[in-house]
Amino acid sequence: RKEVEQDPGPFNVPEGATVAFNCTYSNSASQSFFWYRQDCRKEPKLLMSVYSSGNEDGRFTAQLNRASQYISLLIRDSKLSDSATYLCVPSRANTGFQKLVFGTGTRLLVSP
Amino acid sequence: GAGVSQSPSNKVTEKGKDVELRCDPISGHTALYWYRQSLGQGLEFLIYFQGNSAPDKSGLPSDRFSAERTGGSVSTLTIQRTQQEDSAVYLCASQAGANTGELFFGEGSRLTVL
Repeated sequence: RKEVEQDPGPFNVPEGATVAFNCTYSNSASQSFFWYRQDCRKEPKLLMSVYSSGNEDGRFTAQLNRASQYISLLIRDSKLSDSATYLCVPSRANTGFQKLVFGTGTRLLVSP
Repeated sequence: GAGVSQSPSNKVTEKGKDVELRCDPISGHTALYWYRQSLGQGLEFLIYFQGNSAPDKSGLPSDRFSAERTGGSVSTLTIQRTQQEDSAVYLCASQAGANTGELFFGEGSRLTVL
């Protein structure tokens, strides 16, 4: 099983829609999770960090399900500018520096 | 500058030639990563440096690939005898703290092997 798995998509949604996608992880020792956003031909940038059961930042909500070992990202009221690839990366926090392995990413396309 | 700097931004080379890619991380960041991203694909981990510890080279695809980090700062990724399948964007990232998880990426070096 891969360390991190994501549905590559693309998820095609109209403006204003709510969309959610999941990221499953294999290492049960993972404690912290990070969602990165990558625009086409650009470098990834941190979108959201999750250190407990979830996190909310404006239209974006991340929820962690430790029992099933997945983390979801929910985007409400989608904007055209949300079109990007969303990458998930788990981390075994509190164990010092470690190698961070990214999922392949989920591509989101928001249309007018 | 304040961010991660990579050079060259674009490199076109002939099959069989050696290439060097450079990464200048954010000053004071202890950890430095190299990832590779082929067109339409995800980030493939290559190598990871952290402080004075031995680097984690587990992601290097072959012995043609090597990397150094001198003085705990600048890093160079070297690809010897390049092959067409090496064509990709090579991304460098630096990290300040062990528990933040936040990586700051450079804009990448786009390598094309003809």
